[in-house]
Amino acid sequence: AQSVTQPDIHITVSEGASLELRCNYSYGATPYLFWYVQSPGQGLQLLLKYFSGDTLVQGIKGFEAEFKRSQSSFNLRKPSVHWSDAAEYFCAGVTGGGNKLTFGTGTQLKVEL
Amino acid sequence: EPEVTQTPSHQVTQMGQEVILRCVPISNHLYFYWYRQILGQKVEFLVSFYNNEISEKSEIFDDQFSVERPDGSNFTLKIRSTKLEDSAMYFCASSDAYSNQPQHFGDGTRLSIL
Repeated sequence: AQSVTQPDIHITVSEGASLELRCNYSYGATPYLFWYVQSPGQGLQLLLKYFSGDTLVQGIKGFEAEFKRSQSSFNLRKPSVHWSDAAEYFCAGVTGGGNKLTFGTGTQLKVEL
Repeated sequence: EPEVTQTPSHQVTQMGQEVILRCVPISNHLYFYWYRQILGQKVEFLVSFYNNEISEKSEIFDDQFSVERPDGSNFTLKIRSTKLEDSAMYFCASSDAYSNQPQHFGDGTRLSIL
């Protein structure tokens, strides 16, 4: 079955430190992959997307993600975290022939000042 | 930037009552979706809608649920007879293509069943 796994439920980093949020996928074929962010009381905002081609994708707010087929991973990174990045982050995937997004369980990011 | 809007932001309903959640997708989008997130759980797909008909639905989307595009701008989710377990955040999303364009989400409606 298609699935997206986020191994870390909570992560705490200091402001200014680098960040990496993990995402693993299990699909029969290479899926389209997305990262969304949800701030408290807000909806899901798209950070970045991977469809094909360049495996390092850039997104908004200084985020990037790298697709690694050999590791079935699509980890989200940011070189220097800001206090306003505190939120819940969701990895999601969809097969190339479908439109039903499958979400991971989310990673709650806390930023210490 | 165009966005998906959902109303109301919070709905409180007695068990057994009907509820309609409303969404205005991005105006040039053709594909519409409902997802839900029970507190502490994953965001789950409910249904997708295109060309005035359901294109895919999950096992959650049983006969108690229905969707409609009553006019050129609104997209609604109706729950006919609500149950306690329907309490969740319901997200509407839209996209301008089938799968190779991202889905854009609204801020959600928090549905509380008493």
